[in-house]
Amino acid sequence: DAGVTQSPTHLIKTRGQQVTLRCSPKSGHDTVSWYQQALGQGPQFIFQYYEEEERQRGNFPDRFSGHQFPNYSSELNVNALLLGDSALYLCASSSGQVGLNTEAFFGQGTRLTVV
Amino acid sequence: AQSVSQHNHHVILSEAASLELGCNYSYGGTVNLFWYVQYPGQHLQLLLKYFSGDPLVKGIKGFEAEFIKSKFSFNLRKPSVQWSDTAEYFCAVNANTGFQKLVFGTGTRLLVSP
Repeated sequence: DAGVTQSPTHLIKTRGQQVTLRCSPKSGHDTVSWYQQALGQGPQFIFQYYEEEERQRGNFPDRFSGHQFPNYSSELNVNALLLGDSALYLCASSSGQVGLNTEAFFGQGTRLTVV
Repeated sequence: AQSVSQHNHHVILSEAASLELGCNYSYGGTVNLFWYVQYPGQHLQLLLKYFSGDPLVKGIKGFEAEFIKSKFSFNLRKPSVQWSDTAEYFCAVNANTGFQKLVFGTGTRLLVSP
C-alpha cells in the first residue's frame, strides 16, 4: 500500500519563475492538503482539495494555486516566486468525509529553493 | 482562529531520562489533537491522536499524551527516552468540524545523548 508520494524531492528555481509540485495521495484517500514548512517552523496550511475543488484555504496569496484530478492526485502551483517561498512543501492525504475523524498522512515533501 | 504553542523549542536529554513536552492550544470549540514526529530525513509521522473518550492516549514507541480540557493542553510524555527518539516533535490541532485542516505548533527539537 503506497503512502503519500510527492515529486520532485528537490527543486531550485529563480525569482519570478513558476513552479508545479505534485502529490499522489495514500490509497483510499480522497482529500489532499498542502502545507508550507519554513526552516525552523511548523507546517502552515496552504489549502485543501476535495472532490476536485478547493475546500479550505489558509492565509496564502493568490500566487499559490492548486488542482485536484479525478484520481485524487493534486498539484500545487506557485507563480512569481519570491525568495521567501523557499521552504519544504508537504502534501497530506486523508479521507474527506465531513464529520469523520481521520488522521492525515504526510509525504516526504518537496524542498523548494528560490535563488 | 486556532493557534498552538509549544513552549520548549530545544530539549536535550540523556538516555533513560523522562520526557515531557508541553503543548497548549487556543480554540473555544471541540478539537482533535495530534502529536507528529519528524525523524532526521524522514516524513512527518503520527505518534498519537485524541478525538474523544479517555483523555490519556497511548501512541507508538511508548509515547503517551494527556488531554486536559480545562488547561487547553495536550502534553506529550515518555518515561524513558532512547537515542532513537532524537527528532522534531510537532503538536497539532484541528477544529472538530469534519475538515482536516491542521494547525501546528513551531515544534520541539529533541536531542537524546547516548
